[in-house]
Amino acid sequence: DAGVIQSPRHEVTEMGQEVTLRCKPISGHNSLFWYRQTMMRGLELLIYFNNNVPIDDSGMPEDRFSAKMPNASFSTLKIQPSEPRDSAVYFCASSLGGDNEQFFGPGTRLTVL
Amino acid sequence: RKEVEQDPGPFNVPEGATVAFNCTYSNSASQSFFWYRQDCRKEPKLLMSVYSSGNEDGRFTAQLNRASQYISLLIRDSKLSDSATYLCVVANTNAGKSTFGDGTTLTVKP
Repeated sequence: DAGVIQSPRHEVTEMGQEVTLRCKPISGHNSLFWYRQTMMRGLELLIYFNNNVPIDDSGMPEDRFSAKMPNASFSTLKIQPSEPRDSAVYFCASSLGGDNEQFFGPGTRLTVL
Repeated sequence: RKEVEQDPGPFNVPEGATVAFNCTYSNSASQSFFWYRQDCRKEPKLLMSVYSSGNEDGRFTAQLNRASQYISLLIRDSKLSDSATYLCVVANTNAGKSTFGDGTTLTVKP
């Protein structure tokens, strides 16, 4: 298995633009997590899905952020409109069951100018 | 109070030293515990799970104290390659999710 795949790996955009981050979890995993990591706030859980259903989105910072999981092999995290304070590394992780080992993707490094 | 709290660090130690990290958690219903390692500009990866009876993997020993709600990680004979951030993770089966600590940074110097 190729592991968790994220794209793009790097994204530089201007304030106000829409940003879409993509994730393909490990085949067979039924839980998927989106995290954001910055020096100031560490690793923050934004939202997680179980069997493609959003379970807890309390970590989503505001309405500008939205996440979807249309099927078991694909998820997106969208920011619209983006702001400079959204600059961070966004990780996607998957696991077999939400309380088991999580496998992280390489992350998307987002810079909003 | 954060659900998972770790030693703030950073820890700067010489090669060969023994170093220990502690982590406390607030939810007594937590059921699974892990230590992850994150190298600079990389994703976190599982280092080891933490079992009630304690467990060892080479130079690494993890301990769990449910009564006091803390877990620990001991690294013996530290190597330069151990330099990384170590993240404590606490999972709740009922909630179906894991909570990560903020991490402790270790730098091993020659």
